Amino acid sequence: GAVVSQHPSRVICKSGTSVKIECRSLDFQATTMFWYRQFPKQSLMLMATSNEGSKATYEQGVEKDKFLINHASLTLSTLTVTSAHPEDSSFYICSAPAGVTEAFFGQGTRLTVV
Amino acid sequence: AQSVAQPEDQVNVAEGNPLTVKCTYSVSGNPYLFWYVQYPNRGLQFLLKYITGDNLVKGSYGFEAEFNKSQTSFHLKKPSALVSDSALYFCAVRDRAGGSYIPTFGRGTSLIVHP
Repeated sequence: GAVVSQHPSRVICKSGTSVKIECRSLDFQATTMFWYRQFPKQSLMLMATSNEGSKATYEQGVEKDKFLINHASLTLSTLTVTSAHPEDSSFYICSAPAGVTEAFFGQGTRLTVV
Repeated sequence: AQSVAQPEDQVNVAEGNPLTVKCTYSVSGNPYLFWYVQYPNRGLQFLLKYITGDNLVKGSYGFEAEFNKSQTSFHLKKPSALVSDSALYFCAVRDRAGGSYIPTFGRGTSLIVHP
């Protein structure tokens, strides 16, 4: 089946630095990818939709300058958390739709900002 | 608009007993319905989906779910629970009438299977 690979699985960074998370569709082309944030014991919160070759669409309340999304190719989308702060610590998950009813998820990235 | 409700934060069941994880939905049209499972610090894994046809859907790891249109429910079931089934389960819905691929997720239900 289709696979979405997300890297890194865990990252610890210092406050004020930036962190890049990659999401790759390994065996299919993804013109759209979704980025979610998940707080402990809570559901997935959609942050933004990345679109290959164009600007990402951000959900209300998500800071565009804080969470930079780039979708430069049909198989790669990246989320960069800029000037990270401890409150950005969370679990981030990407997802790519494949067809009308399918969606495949990355393994997730545990970000800890110290 | 589309929404999903998972009324239980946690479900406890003894190994070998049947389990049910509840899900109800709301869409303006007809739904696509999904169940996903999440293990600690991992992404979501697909379990099963309802698109059309038979109301009883069979999925991975012995799980099944029944689509009930009149009750707008899509409860997840398994006849005999395993300790390894302990995880976080998410129900999701997408309105067929909508142009978006984006599903709406429930808040998740933690399933704990006791030995």
